[in-house]
Amino acid sequence: EVQLVQSGAEVKKPGESLKISCKGSGYSFTRYWIGWVRQMPGKGLEWMGIIYPGDSDTRYSPSFQGQVTISADKSISTAYLQWSSLKASDTAMYYCARQAWGMDVWGQGTTVTVSS
Amino acid sequence: EIVLTQSPGTLSLSPGERATLSCRASQSVSSSYLAWYQQKPGQAPRLLIYGASSRATGIPDRFSGSGSGTDFTLTISRLEPADFAVYYCQQYGSSPYTFGQGTKLEIK
Repeated sequence: EVQLVQSGAEVKKPGESLKISCKGSGYSFTRYWIGWVRQMPGKGLEWMGIIYPGDSDTRYSPSFQGQVTISADKSISTAYLQWSSLKASDTAMYYCARQAWGMDVWGQGTTVTVSS
Repeated sequence: EIVLTQSPGTLSLSPGERATLSCRASQSVSSSYLAWYQQKPGQAPRLLIYGASSRATGIPDRFSGSGSGTDFTLTISRLEPADFAVYYCQQYGSSPYTFGQGTKLEIK
């Protein structure tokens, strides 16, 4: 079964760093782009960026460039989304998804709450 | 960046009726790289349509997509109770791969 499994919910304080993960299985992880999508509470989907685990080629939305870092470790079939200094406005659900013909396989989502 | 505008914002229909959702792009979407997703509360989105008109695996044929260039449509031919959800379009022809703001399909 093709699946993406994300790390668990996080509660952090403003200014802290965070790295969440997305582990793929059931397919060749290095041959498909992995994208990250933000969904703020009660709002729509926002495309953040994508990475090609085969060579770590990465593209960012201008809205998120410089705000987050997307990376991948192909040896363990895992993609990452990280922040160096969280803000309250980073509170959201974050999804990873396989970007093939559309985003055809989604992780279950990771809730990130940033509050003092 | 390609901006996608979905209309209407909310669509109120009854089971058995036909739903027509629109997605308009600010510039042409290359090779019809346009996808539609369904999202229910508390769930991850689910891919319905890719390449503007191809159904994803397991999607019933009452869902259909059409369009090219800047105008795209998702049609649900006979609404079932499980179809009431939020629908998003996404273009993946030009980075950044943007989403529309969504259409909420609610029971009338």
